[in-house]
Amino acid sequence: EAGVAQSPRYKIIEKRQSVAFWCNPISGHATLYWYQQILGQGPKLLIQFQNNGVVDDSQLPKDRFSAERLKGVDSTLKIQPAKLEDSAVYLCASSSTAANEKLFFGSGTQLSVL
Amino acid sequence: QKEVEQNSGPLSVPEGAIASLNCTYSDRVSQSFFWYRQYSGKSPELIMSIYSNGDKEDGRFTAQLNKASQYVSLLIRDSQPSDSATYLCAVNPPKTSYDKVIFGPGTSLSVIP
Repeated sequence: EAGVAQSPRYKIIEKRQSVAFWCNPISGHATLYWYQQILGQGPKLLIQFQNNGVVDDSQLPKDRFSAERLKGVDSTLKIQPAKLEDSAVYLCASSSTAANEKLFFGSGTQLSVL
Repeated sequence: QKEVEQNSGPLSVPEGAIASLNCTYSDRVSQSFFWYRQYSGKSPELIMSIYSNGDKEDGRFTAQLNKASQYVSLLIRDSQPSDSATYLCAVNPPKTSYDKVIFGPGTSLSVIP
């Protein structure tokens, strides 16, 4: 079974530039999550999709962050413009629709904003 | 009060000892609890889930849940250097109609050979 695919693995940009991350969840997983993990902290949920609908984006900085999940499969997360404090690892995870299902994480994208 | 709290550590234990990791959560009616392990530079991976009060054992790992005290712990018996990692406690709060997983800040564990 293929895991959660994410790209790119690393990204270095300057502040005020834009960046996009891509995620392809495990086949058949309806729920897709984007987490932000700052060094030394636990993952913080940015946005959660159920199929192609957003069920939680309460902690997404909507003035600069956007995300979409077209056709209920893969997803992109965009930051525009980036700030220094956006430097973090962006983790994509997926789970099936069953309650209490575990999350499967991708390898993450490490973003450095200079 | 943060939703999920953990001692940040680092926690150091000698090889072969028992490592005890603790977690408290704020929402009294939370129902699902998870422990994830995260090696440095890697993504989290689930090692234990627990839903009912009491103990749940899986190999060298035991999860303990006390909903009245809003407390969940993870015991690692016969600790090995390969257990050195950050352990993330995660909770699925019941307020929402969908499954939402909230992570704690993690506890760094170092097993000394």
